[in-house]
Amino acid sequence: EDKVVQSPLSLVVHEGDTVTLNCSYEVTNFRSLLWYKQEKKAPTFLFMLTSSGIEKKSGRLSSILDKKELFSILNITATQTGDSAVYLCAGGNSGNTPLVFGKGTRLSVIA
Amino acid sequence: EAGVAQSPRYKIIEKRQSVAFWCNPISGHATLYWYQQILGQGPKLLIQFQNNGVVDDSQLPKDRFSAERLKGVDSTLKIQPAKLEDSAVYLCASSLDLSTDTQYFGPGTRLTVL
Repeated sequence: EDKVVQSPLSLVVHEGDTVTLNCSYEVTNFRSLLWYKQEKKAPTFLFMLTSSGIEKKSGRLSSILDKKELFSILNITATQTGDSAVYLCAGGNSGNTPLVFGKGTRLSVIA
Repeated sequence: EAGVAQSPRYKIIEKRQSVAFWCNPISGHATLYWYQQILGQGPKLLIQFQNNGVVDDSQLPKDRFSAERLKGVDSTLKIQPAKLEDSAVYLCASSLDLSTDTQYFGPGTRLTVL
């Protein structure tokens, strides 16, 4: 059975810290790894990764995929209180089967 | 570009009552998904549509849940009768088509069953 495991499940940091969120996956016919940020209710799309070793960057957020070791990391530098959210990781495959989501990492950034 | 629309945003019902949720996907998106997200868990897919056809409903509790997307655009998800364990956020998402993994989510409906 396909699965995605995220760690840590929760994390508390101070503003200005750098954090690394982890996502490991076992997805048959793997095609892509997606990261979402979920504040309150709706997950918002952050990144989709399909190739190993190519970093995707958006402002203070960056992510990279390792298809050999089957994991991805999401880095957030100079964290702000607005980064407080649940970060979800999901794996997609090349068939028509749906994304498999992890349980998420709850990040709390305190001033 | 308008995002995925959902209504209602909140719903409180008693067990054994019925409830319906509505979703309008991003214009032009052929694939529509309904997810159930219980507190502290990741979203769990209930049903996936491609246009007006069902692609995957393997995790939909068909004795009480039903969904349709008759004209291949907006969709409704119904629960009848509701149980306490159905309390969750119900998320609708859409993607361009089956070959596109990037899904865009609506604001969700928080259902509380008393």
